[in-house]
Amino acid sequence: KQEVTQIPAALSVPEGENLVLNCSFTDSAIYNLQWFRQDPGKGLTSLLLIQSSQREQTSGRLNASLDKSSGRSTLYIAASQPGDSATYLCAVKPWDAGKSTFGDGTTLTVKP
Amino acid sequence: GAVVSQHPSRVICKSGTSVKIECRSLDFQATTMFWYRQFPKQSLMLMATSNEGSKATYEQGVEKDKFLINHASLTLSTLTVTSAHPEDSSFYICSARVVGTETQYFGPGTRLLVL
Repeated sequence: KQEVTQIPAALSVPEGENLVLNCSFTDSAIYNLQWFRQDPGKGLTSLLLIQSSQREQTSGRLNASLDKSSGRSTLYIAASQPGDSATYLCAVKPWDAGKSTFGDGTTLTVKP
Repeated sequence: GAVVSQHPSRVICKSGTSVKIECRSLDFQATTMFWYRQFPKQSLMLMATSNEGSKATYEQGVEKDKFLINHASLTLSTLTVTSAHPEDSSFYICSARVVGTETQYFGPGTRLLVL
């Protein structure tokens, strides 16, 4: 059974800092890994999707990496802004493209 | 002209959670609203007919306990997908019928993705 862990559970940083969010998973037989952002009371917003064969994806100030062999993914946020404050979730889809397993999320607060 | 809005336009959710989709007629009253579902490369399929102030009428094969419809006013109907599963991922579209006519206006649709 796949287990997904996100550390830390909560993170508070001053505006402008670069930061890294971590996601680890126990079963490396994955189809893809996806990072999401969730604002209070809203649905999930997809940030980056990394296919099993890829090592990283970039979008603007966000960079996500994937190391399947070690069961890890990181989400790097450059020059953080208060608008980045949200809960960030990673989700791992198994090799058969079935139901994804989510981590519990990291709640990020960026202080002005 | 008559406008029908839907909110949200797209939503991603975890399997097992519930999702509510709103359908509003912005400049006319609609005693009847219709909910459709469209899977990729398939035509629209009517799911249910929503009547203001009364229970919705569901098409055969559509689970009424899974797809809860509430038509609380003449301008608003909501569809709640309860305990969503990946197979519920689809494009959901509503339409509203102008009171006293057979004219329907369609909303822009809501794309639901259940992971």
